[in-house]
Amino acid sequence: DAKTTQPPSMDCAEGRAANLPCNHSTISGNEYVYWYRQIHSQGPQYIIHGLKNNETNEMASLIITEDRKSSTLILPHATLRDTAVYYCIVQFSGSARQLTFGSGTQLTVLP
Amino acid sequence: GAVVSQHPSRVICKSGTSVKIECRSLDFQATTMFWYRQFPKKSLMLMATSNEGSKATYEQGVEKDKFLINHASLTLSTLTVTSAHPEDSSFYICSAVPQVASNQPQHFGDGTRLSIL
Repeated sequence: DAKTTQPPSMDCAEGRAANLPCNHSTISGNEYVYWYRQIHSQGPQYIIHGLKNNETNEMASLIITEDRKSSTLILPHATLRDTAVYYCIVQFSGSARQLTFGSGTQLTVLP
Repeated sequence: GAVVSQHPSRVICKSGTSVKIECRSLDFQATTMFWYRQFPKKSLMLMATSNEGSKATYEQGVEKDKFLINHASLTLSTLTVTSAHPEDSSFYICSAVPQVASNQPQHFGDGTRLSIL
């Protein structure tokens, strides 16, 4: 699976959009980009995933660049409950393979 | 949405005790489940892959005789930490992949915090 690079930490004001970047320059054509988050002392929570097109669900939006070498997770209106470690993971879809977690980005939403 | 239940959420026990952790997929069947371990301020590390009806596959450095995994049905996997010692204290997390896994993400339990005194 391709490796990802994320900033170690970010702050965001409550109510504002949080934009979390992820670099995955070695991604292959069949690999998806997955985003999970882990709130303190809980298991990771699935957020969103995509292959080429931008995706949106009730939690977030995922913007993938045309060359697929990077992506951005957008939380449109961050709340204090969104404070968590966010993991960007690249993996082939459809295969029951383990997820390889990097260090992620600690997002702190400030009041 | 897909739900994975993990039990117990917290265990405190004496050194030498064996502890069993259950991981259940509540609304889907999972041929494959994963067990991870997470130490404080660290990321999740895969311990083993649990396959229904067959032996688990362990990652390098994980003792299979110490961390017993059983995946007897499509909705239940168990991890037993045998003769636990203080160094086994950690946050154990399971995940499951829906059997019909085309483009489906993994779903995680809420973890079990194990403290060995």
